[in-house]
Amino acid sequence: AQSVTQLDSHVSVSEGTPVLLRCNYSSSYSPSLFWYVQHPNKGLQLLLKYTSAATLVKGINGFEAEFKKSETSFHLTKPSAHMSDAAEYFCVVTIQTGANNLFFGTGTRLTVIP
Amino acid sequence: NAGVTQTPKFQVLKTGQSMTLQCAQDMNHEYMSWYRQDPGMGLRLIHYSVGAGITDQGEVPNGYNVSRSTTEDFPLRLLSAAPSQTSVYFCASYVDPRTQYFGPGTRLLVL
Repeated sequence: AQSVTQLDSHVSVSEGTPVLLRCNYSSSYSPSLFWYVQHPNKGLQLLLKYTSAATLVKGINGFEAEFKKSETSFHLTKPSAHMSDAAEYFCVVTIQTGANNLFFGTGTRLTVIP
Repeated sequence: NAGVTQTPKFQVLKTGQSMTLQCAQDMNHEYMSWYRQDPGMGLRLIHYSVGAGITDQGEVPNGYNVSRSTTEDFPLRLLSAAPSQTSVYFCASYVDPRTQYFGPGTRLLVL
């Protein structure tokens, strides 16, 4: 079975400081992992994805995530937060083959303080 | 390409009423899914389809029906709405589950 655990329901950072959103995963198979972002009253946008290539994945808007198999983690980072980063972030897992669907974490709300 | 479209954007229902949430995609994707999003719960899979004429249940299928008569359309039906179905509903389509395309969502309020 596949699942993800987002360790923080809410993270608050000051503008210009680093962002760290934590995610641990569980998967019986080789996983694919994703981070999606949802701005208020908007749909879901894919930030980045890991699909068994390079373990350090770069995404849009300066975000990146590192797949660490030994720690079963896929934390999302950004060196310097911007006000526009304030949103809900979802860590997501799926297995790499078949018609299987996405398994979402419960989300982390990022607040950026001016 | 319009991508994945959903209608309506917002709907208010009374308990016991029925309605259909529409989802359409113009990317000729084989797979389509419906999710609901509730506070503190993330997105949960309701039903999915692996092709025209083929559907299957997800994690939370009770109270919902689906059908897939064409590749493009995947409507979600609420036969007798309940307040517990108040949620935001997202439709997605994909060829590969690693790259899913989401619609803008339908916000449903059941009174």
